[in-house]
Amino acid sequence: RKEVEQDPGPFNVPEGATVAFNCTYSNSASQSFFWYRQDCRKEPKLLMSVYSSGNEDGRFTAQLNRASQYISLLIRDSKLSDSATYLCVVISGGGADGLTFGKGTHLIIQP
Amino acid sequence: DTAVSQTPKYLVTQMGNDKSIKCEQNLGHDTMYWYKQDSKKFLKIMFSYNNKELIINETVPNRFSPKSPDKAHLNLHINSLELGDSAVYFCASSHFAGPTYEQYFGPGTRLTVT
Repeated sequence: RKEVEQDPGPFNVPEGATVAFNCTYSNSASQSFFWYRQDCRKEPKLLMSVYSSGNEDGRFTAQLNRASQYISLLIRDSKLSDSATYLCVVISGGGADGLTFGKGTHLIIQP
Repeated sequence: DTAVSQTPKYLVTQMGNDKSIKCEQNLGHDTMYWYKQDSKKFLKIMFSYNNKELIINETVPNRFSPKSPDKAHLNLHINSLELGDSAVYFCASSHFAGPTYEQYFGPGTRLTVT
């Protein structure tokens, strides 16, 4: 089983719809979780951290399910500008050996 | 002001050459990183360096060596370039002790080895 897995997509979603995708992780000792966004030919940028109790930032909601070892990202009222690749990041320790990016989920919002 | 900058943005070179990519951050962060993103868009960490400790991803060939002249710079030197080294290389920085470990990425260097 890979350390961090994401459905690569693409997810084609009409503008205004709600979309959700998950990221599973294999290390039960993982400590911190994040969602990053990467636009085409650009660098990744932090979208939001994922807290144990779940957290919301505007149209974006992140959830953590430790029992099933996955995190999720929900986007409500999707905008054309939400089109990007969403990368989940799992930290299992300090330094290079404890930080893992998923391969990303490609989201396309269609007008 | 650019928070994390990299030079060059594009680098085309031949197999066997030695090249360096420079990275600078003006955020006052104490940890810097190098990542490789291959043609399949998989982003993989290569090194992290927090001014005193270098942590190397064991899968990185020893042809790759990070060099940090000071806390704000972490350059990547690559010896004997191979075709498989073609990728986008991202530098990033963060507060090592920060609760969020938010990483700020540079714009990337697109390396093409011919």
